[in-house]
Amino acid sequence: NAGVTQTPKFRILKIGQSMTLQCTQDMNHNYMYWYRQDPGMGLKLIYYSVGAGITDKGEVPNGYNVSRSTTEDFPLRLELAAPSQTSVYFCASSYTGARNTEAFFGQGTRLTVV
Amino acid sequence: AQSVAQPEDQVNVAEGNPLTVKCTYSVSGNPYLFWYVQYPNRGLQFLLKYITGDNLVKGSYGFEAEFNKSQTSFHLKKPSALVSDSALYFCAVSGGNNAGNMLTFGGGTRLMVKP
Repeated sequence: NAGVTQTPKFRILKIGQSMTLQCTQDMNHNYMYWYRQDPGMGLKLIYYSVGAGITDKGEVPNGYNVSRSTTEDFPLRLELAAPSQTSVYFCASSYTGARNTEAFFGQGTRLTVV
Repeated sequence: AQSVAQPEDQVNVAEGNPLTVKCTYSVSGNPYLFWYVQYPNRGLQFLLKYITGDNLVKGSYGFEAEFNKSQTSFHLKKPSALVSDSALYFCAVSGGNNAGNMLTFGGGTRLMVKP
């Protein structure tokens, strides 16, 4: 059972570079989420999607973009990387909204911007 | 806006003793409350949730949590701690008026269980 798969696991970016964090789930979940986790700060929601073709901003969307062309995939794009984007990024999915059912998380992507 | 507070950065417990990890919340409407656990270099794993019904909720690995509406709290408990329970614990809330059913997480509490 793959669940939620994130790639890459680790990445170092230079300031101003761009990259895409990949996320795919094989549970046919409608809802998908991107969070970032900073030390002692818990998780902050970046973007979420309630279904293919529908995305919306979370708490901290600046500097990021997302798309949801299929149910399975929810990539997160960083266009101009900044040191403030150094964090651990988690993708999650749930069948219905995360308040009704448990959310399943990927193992995370540790990103360092230098 | 919804928010969660976990007042303790770290909780230290001896193995075999009961443990409590505290959580208070603020939300409009009825709260949907969750506990997740994170082991090193892993994603979060669901432990338990409160949506409605009995105020005492039982979850995975012997954990339980008590919903207290008057104190807006949802403390995580376990009668007898194990060393393997050592991890980072997150409380989360989602309010009723929330189109994306978004979860708001607390800052996390590190549980250290010593032999």
